[in-house]
Amino acid sequence: DAGVTQSPTHLIKTRGQQVTLRCSPKSGHDTVSWYQQALGQGPQFIFQYYEEEERQRGNFPDRFSGHQFPNYSSELNVNALLLGDSALYLCASNSGVAVEQYFGPGTRLTVT
Amino acid sequence: AQSVSQHNHHVILSEAASLELGCNYSYGGTVNLFWYVQYPGQHLQLLLKYFSGDPLVKGIKGFEAEFIKSKFSFNLRKPSVQWSDTAEYFCAVIGDNQAGTALIFGKGTTLSVSS
Repeated sequence: DAGVTQSPTHLIKTRGQQVTLRCSPKSGHDTVSWYQQALGQGPQFIFQYYEEEERQRGNFPDRFSGHQFPNYSSELNVNALLLGDSALYLCASNSGVAVEQYFGPGTRLTVT
Repeated sequence: AQSVSQHNHHVILSEAASLELGCNYSYGGTVNLFWYVQYPGQHLQLLLKYFSGDPLVKGIKGFEAEFIKSKFSFNLRKPSVQWSDTAEYFCAVIGDNQAGTALIFGKGTTLSVSS
């Protein structure tokens, strides 16, 4: 049973560029959440998708956007990258009625 | 807004010592509480959770946590730590006032266990 998978593992981008990160949820899960984890900090909630709609959003600017596909996989897009966007981006999934979330290994984004 | 406070940034223990990591949250409604662990080079894993019922919950690897509603606390304990417990520990909460199920995390506590 595959857990949550994310791609790519690492990514280096230049300030001002755009990036897309991908996530496949654990089998049987229909809800995907994205978190940003800066070095030495706890994960911060970006947004959550359920039934292809953004159900909840954290305190992140509109440069951060997402999408959920019919197969429940999800993308996180970040436009106009800033140096401060450098972080580990975590994807988590759960089933709609259960709150327990399972995390993927993350994508390490470095903005230079 | 909900928030989670973890009192200890870095804890250093010898093997067989007892562990208690503090966690307080700032929401007065109904909460679901979690402790996650991140071992070096690995992804976040759920240690234990509290939804309702018995306030003393047991998780994996001998960890337990106690929910004290009057103190808004959910402290993590282990009677005797092992070198393999070296990791980052995060407390998290989901309040019932949210549209979804976003986890609000504390900043984490780094536990270093020496053999």
